[in-house]
Amino acid sequence: NAGVTQTPKFQVLKTGQSMTLQCAQDMNHEYMSWYRQDPGMGLRLIHYSVGAGITDQGEVPNGYNVSRSTTEDFPLRLLSAAPSQTSVYFCASSRGQGTQPQHFGDGTRLSIL
Amino acid sequence: GEDVEQSLFLSVREGDSSVINCTYTDSSSTYLYWYKQEPGAGLQLLTYIFSNMDMKQDQRLTVLLNKKDKHLSLRIADTQTGDSAIYFCAERQQGFQKLVFGTGTRLLVSP
Repeated sequence: NAGVTQTPKFQVLKTGQSMTLQCAQDMNHEYMSWYRQDPGMGLRLIHYSVGAGITDQGEVPNGYNVSRSTTEDFPLRLLSAAPSQTSVYFCASSRGQGTQPQHFGDGTRLSIL
Repeated sequence: GEDVEQSLFLSVREGDSSVINCTYTDSSSTYLYWYKQEPGAGLQLLTYIFSNMDMKQDQRLTVLLNKKDKHLSLRIADTQTGDSAIYFCAERQQGFQKLVFGTGTRLLVSP
């Protein structure tokens, strides 16, 4: 079972470059979200989506854009990368509200020079 | 506001019990979760508890919830070296998709 697939696993960018982190799930989950993980700060929510065509901001949305044109895909875009965006990015999905757990991808490790 | 706090580090010997603690501030939280993260991997859901429960046991894992003190704990019985990882607690309000995570507790199990 593929679950939640994130690509790439590693990426190095120069300041000012743009890039899209890909996330795909094959579980027909309605809910998808992006988190960033930084040392000593746990995971912080960037953006989330409750279904195709619907997205909303999380705790730290600045510098990131998302779209949800299909149920399966939820890409995260960095329009102009900054060193402060160096982090590990996790995508997660879940079937719905309540007890439904979030399934996480393995992460994308992004370094901005 | 929402804030979830955990101690950063715990070290135990193999075979001992581990207790990882978490405090939260949002009284409207209805679901509380424990996730495990192994090096280089994503987060794996270990267990969760609904806020109207005091305790939940699942094999070697026991979750205790003290709603009055907003305190959550995860006990791992007979801790093994393979349990070495970072453990995150997270809270979620009913009807909302957003999870608020703690900073994570790094558990080190020595032989």
